[in-house]
Amino acid sequence: DTGVSQDPRHKITKRGQNVTFRCDPISEHNRLYWYRQTLGQGPEFLTYFQNEAQLEKSRLLSDRFSAERPKGSFSTLEIQRTEQGDSAMYLCASSHENRGRANTGELFFGEGSRLTVL
Amino acid sequence: DQQVKQNSPSLSVQEGRISILNCDYTNSMFDYFLWYKKYPAEGPTFLISISSIKDKNEDGRFTVFLNKSAKHLSLHIVPSQPGDSAVYFCAAVDRGSTLGRLYFGRGTQLTVWP
Repeated sequence: DTGVSQDPRHKITKRGQNVTFRCDPISEHNRLYWYRQTLGQGPEFLTYFQNEAQLEKSRLLSDRFSAERPKGSFSTLEIQRTEQGDSAMYLCASSHENRGRANTGELFFGEGSRLTVL
Repeated sequence: DQQVKQNSPSLSVQEGRISILNCDYTNSMFDYFLWYKKYPAEGPTFLISISSIKDKNEDGRFTVFLNKSAKHLSLHIVPSQPGDSAVYFCAAVDRGSTLGRLYFGRGTQLTVWP
């Protein structure tokens, strides 16, 4: 399978715990995005990497959230001191800068990591 | 503030008929629009898109119409098939800002019944 891969698919944690999600983009895609989707809403942009550089962060990304893409390949999204309001589906997407419709916003999404904070 | 709005949370259509999904936007800087389709337990997948310089784009059974003056777009599916049953998200992008930063609507659940 050469699509965007996310792990874990489901995570249940207690409030106050830290959680980390991993995303493996499509090979050779240099752009990587994190989105969050809560119940009844569409996906909302969190942050964007081009290669290893984090170029933009949404105001939704509080200080408790940190994302990295150390070698320009896979990425991690860590949430510290989780709160019940963090319960959501965390979606990763990737695209390549110069291919196809990448410059128009067409992204390839993974299946998401669902977080439940008790 | 919801910049992309899908005011119909659900739509039910008989197989073979036309499905029309609607979307409105408020930001005049949006210059590209996309529709994504999402099945349960899967991520959204790209369906069709349209540039703001066009008013129609067609791909097989799917056609997207854009009315810039009304800040409105619609997705037509003809004929509808049971496999089209999914959540459809309208999304918009301002290509002058962050590429790949999509603004999504809340989605419309389409159900196509036999």
